[in-house]
Amino acid sequence: GAVVSQHPSWVICKSGTSVKIECRSLDFQATTMFWYRQFPKQSLMLMATSNEGSKATYEQGVEKDKFLINHASLTLSTLTVTSAHPEDSSFYICSAVGQGGPNYGYTFGSGTRLTVV
Amino acid sequence: DAKTTQPPSMDCAEGRAANLPCNHSTISGNEYVYWYRQIHSQGPQYIIHGLKNNETNEMASLIITEDRKSSTLILPHATLRDTAVYYCIVSSEETSGSRLTFGEGTQLTVNP
Repeated sequence: GAVVSQHPSWVICKSGTSVKIECRSLDFQATTMFWYRQFPKQSLMLMATSNEGSKATYEQGVEKDKFLINHASLTLSTLTVTSAHPEDSSFYICSAVGQGGPNYGYTFGSGTRLTVV
Repeated sequence: DAKTTQPPSMDCAEGRAANLPCNHSTISGNEYVYWYRQIHSQGPQYIIHGLKNNETNEMASLIITEDRKSSTLILPHATLRDTAVYYCIVSSEETSGSRLTFGEGTQLTVNP
């Protein structure tokens, strides 16, 4: 089946530094990618939607200057958490949909556990 | 996207069928019902989806009521590895890029 590879699976960074998370569609062209955030014991919360070659659309309350999303190719989207703070510690998950993908549309990455110390 | 309502938790004995209900009374005609599950600290895994007909695959069966206001996910022979949070989501179109909005889901615990 379709595979979305997310990297790294976990990362620890110091407060004030930036962290980049990659999301790759391995066997299909991801025209749209979604980025979610999940805090402990909570559901997934959509942060932003990105279409290849376009600027991302952010959900209300999500700072676009803090969470930089790049979707420059049909197989790669990146989320950069800039000037990370402990409250940004969370589980970040990407999802992709596009041409050549499964008929159910949405494939998720395995997630990235970010811990900011 | 239509909102869904699921029980927060359910228990099931290993080897028995797990029936997970979902209410989506405001679903519109072009919205599909999707089921995903999330095992702890992993990304969501697709299970099954449908529009109005019942569906079955190697993982589960999906029963959608005739009025489409509710559905039931059936895991016919639950195993310990089926312990997860199960999300019922409604969204328009299969591959349009419409976003999936997750509710709270049902924590299914399969007991030995």
